[in-house]
Amino acid sequence: QKEVEQNSGPLSVPEGAIASLNCTYSDRGSQSFFWYRQYSGKSPELIMSIYSNGDKEDGRFTAQLNKASQYVSLLIRDSQPSDSATYLCAVDTGGFKTIFGAGTRLFVKA
Amino acid sequence: EAQVTQNPRYLITVTGKKLTVTCSQNMNHEYMSWYRQDPGLGLRQIYYSMNVEVTDKGDVPEGYKVSRKEKRNFPLILESPSPNQTSLYFCASSDPDRAADTQYFGPGTRLTVL
Repeated sequence: QKEVEQNSGPLSVPEGAIASLNCTYSDRGSQSFFWYRQYSGKSPELIMSIYSNGDKEDGRFTAQLNKASQYVSLLIRDSQPSDSATYLCAVDTGGFKTIFGAGTRLFVKA
Repeated sequence: EAQVTQNPRYLITVTGKKLTVTCSQNMNHEYMSWYRQDPGLGLRQIYYSMNVEVTDKGDVPEGYKVSRKEKRNFPLILESPSPNQTSLYFCASSDPDRAADTQYFGPGTRLTVL
């Protein structure tokens, strides 16, 4: 059974701090990795995608991928209260099948 | 406006009464998928479709049916709903050739089966 694991949290950080979210996956053949943000009662929305080892930065967000360790992370710099949400890690295992983690709840305290 | 729509948004029904949740996208996407979301379990893929008349099972297909007769529509059918199908359902679409598997989600359908 292919799996994606995330710490459910909640992760609480003060406003302006760096929030670090982590994800591990079991399928070594996975090629595409995504972070979605989901506000309470809303649908998931994509915030980052990453396909090769290393870092990818987009504004305050940085995704990091280490395929050897089967590890994906998301860093949120200068965290804002509006970043408070559940963050879902998703892995495309090939053939249009996507496995989602259960999500990490993030609280940013003003 | 590019979007994925689902109907109904909320539904309360009884065990065994057939129902259909509709999903439609206006982005001309080839790929569409259905997920259910349950507390502590995240999003689990029910069925997906790579194109018209091409569908395949996801991780939790039992008790569900789908069809893809038109590119824009991908309805989810529960022939005989049971209480364990009470969940939040999301439809999603993407165009792998353009957006490298970025999925766009509908607003969700909250289903309660009594």
